[in-house]
Amino acid sequence: TQLLEQSPQFLSIQEGENLTVYCNSSSVFSSLQWYRQEPGEGPVLLVTVVTGGEVKKLKRLTFQFGDARKDSSLHITAAQPGDTGLYLCAGVVIGNQFYFGTGTSLTVIP
Amino acid sequence: GAVVSQHPSWVICKSGTSVKIECRSLDFQATTMFWYRQFPKQSLMLMATSNEGSKATYEQGVEKDKFLINHASLTLSTLTVTSAHPEDSSFYICSARVRPGMGSPLHFGNGTRLTVT
Repeated sequence: TQLLEQSPQFLSIQEGENLTVYCNSSSVFSSLQWYRQEPGEGPVLLVTVVTGGEVKKLKRLTFQFGDARKDSSLHITAAQPGDTGLYLCAGVVIGNQFYFGTGTSLTVIP
Repeated sequence: GAVVSQHPSWVICKSGTSVKIECRSLDFQATTMFWYRQFPKQSLMLMATSNEGSKATYEQGVEKDKFLINHASLTLSTLTVTSAHPEDSSFYICSARVRPGMGSPLHFGNGTRLTVT
């Protein structure tokens, strides 16, 4: 069983559209991170959220940590082809154990 | 920023041979490194946690005699796939943390694409 479920699993949209990716769990995390991975490369950290209810913005990307620290969302405004990739959330629990989400594969069509 | 170097980036080997993959932390010391396996467009599956100077901790279902891990120094961990078979073909990625503690992010290598023929 996967501790962190992401939805949707696959997403294909047109350039300029908005989208939201969800990362859900029944467990509480001390912090949560989002990574983006391009084909043939390792994941790259986008953001870390620590406080329940926290919202962080990274240009067109908005990240939110749920109030109860069990879930998170990633919203992309006006998606661009360069946003294409696999998005992974990762929750950290007591003892610094990382749990990766199931992943969301995003394709932005020009 | 912290850099993790993985080598080789791709390797093709014949069934029955062994392949060694190296993971180096270039500008920091890593007492712990992590090895993952990944299938196309899927998430990372943690295989094992590599601890400098001690035995690796393997996840359930991962054969420790098949996937040998050695973490001989604070900057190098190796994963050896022994007697490789076609079903071992996959993308293998290592990661390390610059420092322990809550929220400290993982820094990943660029992965190794293994193809067993």
